[in-house]
Amino acid sequence: DAGVIQSPRHEVTEMGQEVTLRCKPISGHNSLFWYRQTMMRGLELLIYFNNNVPIDDSGMPEDRFSAKMPNASFSTLKIQPSEPRDSAVYFCASSTERQGRDGYTFGSGTRLTVV
Amino acid sequence: GESVGLHLPTLSVQEGDNSIINCAYSNSASDYFIWYKQESGKGPQFIIDIRSNMDKRQGQRVTVLLNKTVKHLSLQIAATQPGDSAVYFCAALSGDYKLSFGAGTTVTVRA
Repeated sequence: DAGVIQSPRHEVTEMGQEVTLRCKPISGHNSLFWYRQTMMRGLELLIYFNNNVPIDDSGMPEDRFSAKMPNASFSTLKIQPSEPRDSAVYFCASSTERQGRDGYTFGSGTRLTVV
Repeated sequence: GESVGLHLPTLSVQEGDNSIINCAYSNSASDYFIWYKQESGKGPQFIIDIRSNMDKRQGQRVTVLLNKTVKHLSLQIAATQPGDSAVYFCAALSGDYKLSFGAGTTVTVRA
């Protein structure tokens, strides 16, 4: 199994530009999570999908952020327009259980820098 | 909600010694706990988990202890190796899916 696959690994963009981060969860995992990691705030849950349906998006910072999961093998996190304070590492994680009690598997993350 | 805190942000350990990383959680309803290891440039990697109906669980060179009375969790690493140098996070789950992460302890192994 290739694990959770995220792309790109690094993204540098100018303020105001649209950014799209991509995630392929582990096959058979029906829960998918997007997290953001910063030095100041640590790991924060942005949004949670179960069976491709967004269940909890209360962690999405503002309307500039949106996430989709069109099928069981693909999800995107989009920021439009991007701002310097969005600079962080964004992780995708997947789980076999709705409740996540199998430890989660994280991808390697996308390091986003907005200049 | 849940808040999870680590007692020490950094830990320096001599190679071959045992390491102990501590964590406290606030929500007595938390019933599932995970320790993750994060190396530079990588995502958090699952190390070991424990459910609230247990007070100890052992893996390969790692042991997790759970004290529900004082809401305390610890990770013990036996015979610490240079490859154990990383940031370690504890996380707690209460109810569905929403893990609360601690701030992380950076472990540095001295040769």
